[in-house]
Amino acid sequence: GENVEQHPSTLSVQEGDSAVIKCTYSDSASNYFPWYKQELGKRPQLIIDIRSNVGEKKDQRIAVTLNKTAKHFSLHITETQPEDSAVYFCAASWGGNKLVFGAGTILRVKS
Amino acid sequence: GAVVSQHPSRVICKSGTSVKIECRSLDFQATTMFWYRQFPKQSLMLMATSNEGSKATYEQGVEKDKFLINHASLTLSTLTVTSAHPEDSSFYICSALIGGIYEQYFGPGTRLTVT
Repeated sequence: GENVEQHPSTLSVQEGDSAVIKCTYSDSASNYFPWYKQELGKRPQLIIDIRSNVGEKKDQRIAVTLNKTAKHFSLHITETQPEDSAVYFCAASWGGNKLVFGAGTILRVKS
Repeated sequence: GAVVSQHPSRVICKSGTSVKIECRSLDFQATTMFWYRQFPKQSLMLMATSNEGSKATYEQGVEKDKFLINHASLTLSTLTVTSAHPEDSSFYICSALIGGIYEQYFGPGTRLTVT
């Protein structure tokens, strides 16, 4: 089955700096790669997603890149703000079916 | 956007009792619903996939007789934790799929504490 690895487990950045979180997946059939932000005790919130027919997608300060050959995808957050502090999860699935999540990254933005 | 609700949001029960958690899609019909479990400081782990009118598909290691899933309609799935024990204490989250759309819509989660 699918396996998703996520790095780093924790990331501290200064406000205004960029943050990058990386994930690798094992199943080449996976074609949907969402990123979630989760605050303590709350549901995961979809912040950006990408399908396998696209190499990069951007939404304001957030971007995701996908390298199908290497089977890895990354989340890029620019101009980080204190409110970006949260746990971020990557995930992979085929056709929007069951999601396999990475272990999560705790992002701390220091002001 | 599509809204998914869960009830209850928090529940405390005694060891050996059963607890039912409801997951509802409020403004759409869900072809498929998923149940996840999340222990503190850990990731979401899929427990089972539920399709309306058919038996749920459980992930490896998840006891189907302990975690009963019923998906009676296109807007409601329930998860019953039977004979709960303290190790079942966790955050249970459901999600729902609309046919043809890849995005899963998550419920707000249910915090289960077994004493």
